[in-house]
Amino acid sequence: SAVISQKPSRDICQRGTSLTIQCQVDSQVTMMFWYRQQPGQSLTLIATANQGSEATYESGFVIDKFPISRPNLTFSTLTVSNMSPEDSSIYLCSVENGQYFGSGTRLTVV
Amino acid sequence: GENVEQHPSTLSVQEGDSAVIKCTYSDSASNYFPWYKQELGKRPQLIIDIRSNVGEKKDQRIAVTLNKTAKHFSLHITETQPEDSAVYFCAAYAGGTSYGKLTFGQGTILTVHP
Repeated sequence: SAVISQKPSRDICQRGTSLTIQCQVDSQVTMMFWYRQQPGQSLTLIATANQGSEATYESGFVIDKFPISRPNLTFSTLTVSNMSPEDSSIYLCSVENGQYFGSGTRLTVV
Repeated sequence: GENVEQHPSTLSVQEGDSAVIKCTYSDSASNYFPWYKQELGKRPQLIIDIRSNVGEKKDQRIAVTLNKTAKHFSLHITETQPEDSAVYFCAAYAGGTSYGKLTFGQGTILTVHP
């Protein structure tokens, strides 16, 4: 099993600013995944982060808006840049092919 | 890419009844189908999964069936309890080179009335 610590758990941010979300896993994992869950909606994959290489982004998501770091096999960050109210969502990291999720970051942009 | 359709969007049952949620997928190469339960304000929790080489899997009161020919899979919950009330998501692992890419269904809000 894997335990994921994700922070912050929630934040309220001003539009135009950026927020960095962190995920720490208690074991080494090859891939880490970042999802977005808009209010009342399902989960959508933003990108896949592989240690030592550039993240792979899904259609509709770009690196300039959602830069990702993966400095080692237990840690990753997702930054939501130049935020607008449309970015208000829950952001979740995941490992082990969806077996485990972080507790999520509830982001509200005002 | 993969497309997953989930029905119904809401389901209301009486305690003790059975609940069935159905999903269809489009990519015939998909080979892994997990189901998640998400309670309000909490993270999705994997409750059961099935791989394409199996037609049915059961774990106590929950079971999942898979029909590869028809490209659909279903979640069955028997003897429902109020604590089963939550949002349930199905997902399909998209085939190809994208390891671990899950495509989620739209979700089903299950309400179990005491």
